[in-house]
Amino acid sequence: RKEVEQDPGPFNVPEGATVAFNCTYSNSASQSFFWYRQDCRKEPKLLMSVYSSGNEDGRFTAQLNRASQYISLLIRDSKLSDSATYLCVVNDPGGGADGLTFGKGTHLIIQP
Amino acid sequence: DARVTQTPRHKVTEMGQEVTMRCQPILGHNTVFWYRQTMMQGLELLAYFRNRAPLDDSGMPKDRFSAEMPDATLATLKIQPSEPRDSAVYFCASGLVLGGRSSGANVLTFGAGSRLTVL
Repeated sequence: RKEVEQDPGPFNVPEGATVAFNCTYSNSASQSFFWYRQDCRKEPKLLMSVYSSGNEDGRFTAQLNRASQYISLLIRDSKLSDSATYLCVVNDPGGGADGLTFGKGTHLIIQP
Repeated sequence: DARVTQTPRHKVTEMGQEVTMRCQPILGHNTVFWYRQTMMQGLELLAYFRNRAPLDDSGMPKDRFSAEMPDATLATLKIQPSEPRDSAVYFCASGLVLGGRSSGANVLTFGAGSRLTVL
């Protein structure tokens, strides 16, 4: 059974701090990985794709560790507006739903 | 910005009533998904379509749920009869898949969701 696991949190982090959380996946054949952000009572929105070489977008860095089968999201200099739930998405080739499996999300709270 | 439009945004109904949710995907997207989200279960896939053809509805209770795409601009999700356990937020999402099923939709754009409460 394909699974995507995330620590639900909440992660309570002071403003300005650096926070990181991981997402583990069970299918070693997984090919594509994404982080989505979901604000309270809103829809999920793509935050960033996760490439094999890792990628950075401003204060956000996403990395993939294929050997240990996890992806990570690191947020530097956290802002109050970063408070949200972060959903990990894994794409397994040939799977149902085009192979997209969502984690249940990690809840992040940035405190002033 | 192109967006996925869902109606209704909120629906309160009584057990046993029929509920129909509608979704207008982004023009040009060939893949449409229906998800249900609850606090306990997270995002659950109910059904999805490629070029209006249903590809997978294994996540959907067949006795009461049905999903259709009467045309490329409209996807519907119907619950009949509704039950209290159906209370959730229902999201529609669309994406563009190139190269066939194995390529995957990758990036999805979600609608704002339909919040359903069944009393």
